[in-house]
Amino acid sequence: ETGVTQTPRHLVMGMTNKKSLKCEQHLGHNAMYWYKQSAKKPLELMFVYSLEERVENNSVPSRFSPECPNSSHLFLHLHTLQPEDSALYLCASSQEGASGPVSYEQYFGPGTRLTVT
Amino acid sequence: AQKVTQAQTEISVVEKEDVTLDCVYETRDTTYYLFWYKQPPSGELVFLIRRNSFDEQNEISGRYSWNFQKSTSSFNFTITASQVVDSAVYFCALSEGNTGNQFYFGTGTSLTVIP
Repeated sequence: ETGVTQTPRHLVMGMTNKKSLKCEQHLGHNAMYWYKQSAKKPLELMFVYSLEERVENNSVPSRFSPECPNSSHLFLHLHTLQPEDSALYLCASSQEGASGPVSYEQYFGPGTRLTVT
Repeated sequence: AQKVTQAQTEISVVEKEDVTLDCVYETRDTTYYLFWYKQPPSGELVFLIRRNSFDEQNEISGRYSWNFQKSTSSFNFTITASQVVDSAVYFCALSEGNTGNQFYFGTGTSLTVIP
């Protein structure tokens, strides 16, 4: 596997289900991200893990719970979702600068298309 | 306020035409980074270019070129001799120096190249 992989690619779940999205990066990066992409809206950054520490976006509802067990894996645990949570969920990774605030490009996975019924 | 504005929602061109995608950004930082990504129908965002605020040189890569103008806060993307494979949604993004991993994306421009 190369780059950033995400599973599953498609997920349909009921509002009372619990499911998890998985992301794995094979690029040796030290930062990982979850984004939500809804139609006609800019990509919304949900969570950032940098050097395995979480930088939280306070506007994300608690029904979304991230987990980063190591620098290569990132999960997004979902429970009690709402229909408006239906969207494409994208995972990305990047390399943090060794010194100073340097921003490097993020590499994205193919996304999980989530439908909440 | 939107930090990255892509005013063109949808563009259609006939194959072999040139097309320019506009991107206007807003920041008070002196150190910042600009990016372009391509999102084909498969969904994966493909990185195209990264530019830092101290490098205003225009860049050309094959049929792609980028025009960075700090005076107008713009980072426009031109595709020369467009091809059907260029059909995708293109996103411009900004990252500010003091929040390196916070990317601000525009709403994207959907480009359709008609054969």
